[in-house]
Amino acid sequence: SQQGEEDPQALSIQEGENATMNCSYKTSINNLQWYRQNSGRGLVHLILIRSNEREKHSGRLRVTLDTSKKSSSLLITASRAADTASYFCATDGDNYGQNFVFGPGTRLSVLP
Amino acid sequence: NAGVTQTPKFRVLKTGQSMTLLCAQDMNHEYMYWYRQDPGMGLRLIHYSVGEGTTAKGEVPDGYNVSRLKKQNFLLGLESAAPSQTSVYFCASSHGTTWNEQFFGPGTRLTVL
Repeated sequence: SQQGEEDPQALSIQEGENATMNCSYKTSINNLQWYRQNSGRGLVHLILIRSNEREKHSGRLRVTLDTSKKSSSLLITASRAADTASYFCATDGDNYGQNFVFGPGTRLSVLP
Repeated sequence: NAGVTQTPKFRVLKTGQSMTLLCAQDMNHEYMYWYRQDPGMGLRLIHYSVGEGTTAKGEVPDGYNVSRLKKQNFLLGLESAAPSQTSVYFCASSHGTTWNEQFFGPGTRLTVL
């Protein structure tokens, strides 16, 4: 069973707007990571947030983590057409940190 | 520095045929992973390895075998391919546990007829 579930499944916005994606998970975690996948390519790591952190920034990306609600959000500000991709959250499995569990992803389309 | 590479990029098999997918990394990573990605399903872990000579089952291991004879290589084998194994396969590697990011290969698109 999947640990993380992204919401929404698909999101379409105009260039310049902000995009927010959410990830919910079921069991306690040590950290949560977000990845991006451009069409037909492998995943690329975006950001890691530890369980004792509430917010983290990287360029136009802002990630929040609420461990009491078992949820995280990824905000992309001032979106660009190049941000069009699928975004996945990945959480620790219950296997002593040996592997991740990925959610089904959010497909983001940024229209010019 | 090529990162993670996968061979082949595309393959079409007939039901019952066998094949091996090769993953290679040049980052001296200890951990390596094989995933499959199906539409709407995200990535599901098939097998993984936490070091040379070790392998472990992931979420969907049935119908697949793996070997990690050299630290830089992780092989995924299909002994008798089935249409249900039609998917895109991704290899990934990381320096260590889930405190580290994973680096992904470009994927192998496999079709089983």
